[in-house]
Amino acid sequence: GDSVTQMEGPVTLSEEAFLTINCTYTATGYPSLFWYVQYPGEGLQLLLKATKADDKGSNKGFEATYRKETTSFHLEKGSVQVSDSAVYFCALIPNSGNTPLVFGKGTRLSVIA
Amino acid sequence: GAVVSQHPSWVICKSGTSVKIECRSLDFQATTMFWYRQFPKQSLMLMATSNEGSKATYEQGVEKDKFLINHASLTLSTLTVTSAHPEDSSFYICSAYAVGGGEGYTFGSGTRLTVV
Repeated sequence: GDSVTQMEGPVTLSEEAFLTINCTYTATGYPSLFWYVQYPGEGLQLLLKATKADDKGSNKGFEATYRKETTSFHLEKGSVQVSDSAVYFCALIPNSGNTPLVFGKGTRLSVIA
Repeated sequence: GAVVSQHPSWVICKSGTSVKIECRSLDFQATTMFWYRQFPKQSLMLMATSNEGSKATYEQGVEKDKFLINHASLTLSTLTVTSAHPEDSSFYICSAYAVGGGEGYTFGSGTRLTVV
């Protein structure tokens, strides 16, 4: 079935370091891909998304490019801040329409000053 | 943007009692509501999918008599944990889907349930 695999954390970085969180997926057809962020004690917020191959999603300095050839959607940020500390989830929707998101296991990021 | 209000944010209840969690879509009509459960430091596990006016569809292993889901209107869905036990302690999150609703999926802020 459809699945998402993302790098296990926790990831600890110093402020202003470069961030990469790897995400690969398995899906039939052409899924839409998402990154969600969860701050402590809160629900999930959409960070960015891409709906077709070679699309780049970006928001708040984060970016991810939909790579069909490598079935990947890696999350990157050039310079992290302490406020970026959170859990990041890669997710996909197998098909368009009201089907549930398929989530990766999440990667906890801690940024230290 | 689309907002889903989820209440309560946290609740502590005694073993054997029931707890109701509400999710309301504030500025859009949620045709479908997904209910997830999240254990500490783990991902979200889909519990059930409910469409307005229909019975919920539960994922394998989820007890439908224990986790009662009601989606009686396009703006309100509820999850009732009946006869709660300590193993039901978890973080529950709803996600609403609206046709044409911007990003499509909007999450509630979650409910942390602790059963003592």
